[in-house]
Amino acid sequence: DAKTTQPPSMDCAEGRAANLPCNHSTISGNEYVYWYRQIHSQGPQYIIHGLKNNETNEMASLIITEDRKSSTLILPHATLRDTAVYYCIALSGNTPLVFGKGTRLSVIA
Amino acid sequence: GAGVSQSPRYKVAKRGQDVALRCDPISGHVSLFWYQQALGQGPEFLTYFQNEAQLDKSGLPSDRFFAERPEGSVSTLKIQRTQKEDSAVYLCASSPSGPSFGYEQYFGPGTRLTVT
Repeated sequence: DAKTTQPPSMDCAEGRAANLPCNHSTISGNEYVYWYRQIHSQGPQYIIHGLKNNETNEMASLIITEDRKSSTLILPHATLRDTAVYYCIALSGNTPLVFGKGTRLSVIA
Repeated sequence: GAGVSQSPRYKVAKRGQDVALRCDPISGHVSLFWYQQALGQGPEFLTYFQNEAQLDKSGLPSDRFFAERPEGSVSTLKIQRTQKEDSAVYLCASSPSGPSFGYEQYFGPGTRLTVT
C-alpha cells in the first residue's frame, strides 16, 4: 500500500469549509483514495472514496490532483459534530485498510 | 436499521485470563473484519472473513489470538492468556461484498479491553 501523510491536527470554524489535505506520492495506479473518520469513542465511519475523478456525496467532496499524488477532503459547512479524527487511506482491493494516525479536526464554535 | 454490534463494550481481565469478544455484523454482510486500536493510534488490521472462511489472518499479533465465524454470521475474537500489551479497543467491521478490502466497511463501537 502507498503510505499517506496527513497533518496531525487542524482547526475549523463552525459553518466554514474544512479542507483536509493528504499526500500519497507513491500511490499506484490501482489504488483508490479512501477517507474514514472516527468520532470519539465510536468506530470509524466511511466518508468517501475515489480513483482519479473528483467525487461528491452527501457528506463531503473529494478532490484528487491530476497526478494523483495528493487529495483534499472537503466538508463544505463544518459543524461541531464533524469534530473527529480523519483518516486518508490508499487502498487496492487486495490488502487491508491501513489507517495511520490521521488528522484530528476540531470544529470550533 | 441495525448496525454492527459488539459485546461486551468494556472488559477488564486479569493478566493470564482468557477473553472472548463478540461481533454481530449487519445481516447479510459477507465480509467481516477485526481491528485492534491502541490508545492514540489508528486501528490496525487483525483478520478478515468472507462468510465462514478466514481468508487473511496476517495481522494477528501472536498465536494467543484466535478468531472464528463458524456460520458466516456472528464472529468471536478470543485472546488466550491475556497480557498487558493486549489492552486496546477491538473493533469489528462488516461489508456487504467480498472477497476484497475495497468496499465500504461498517464499524461497530468496539470493545475496550483492559488487562490488569
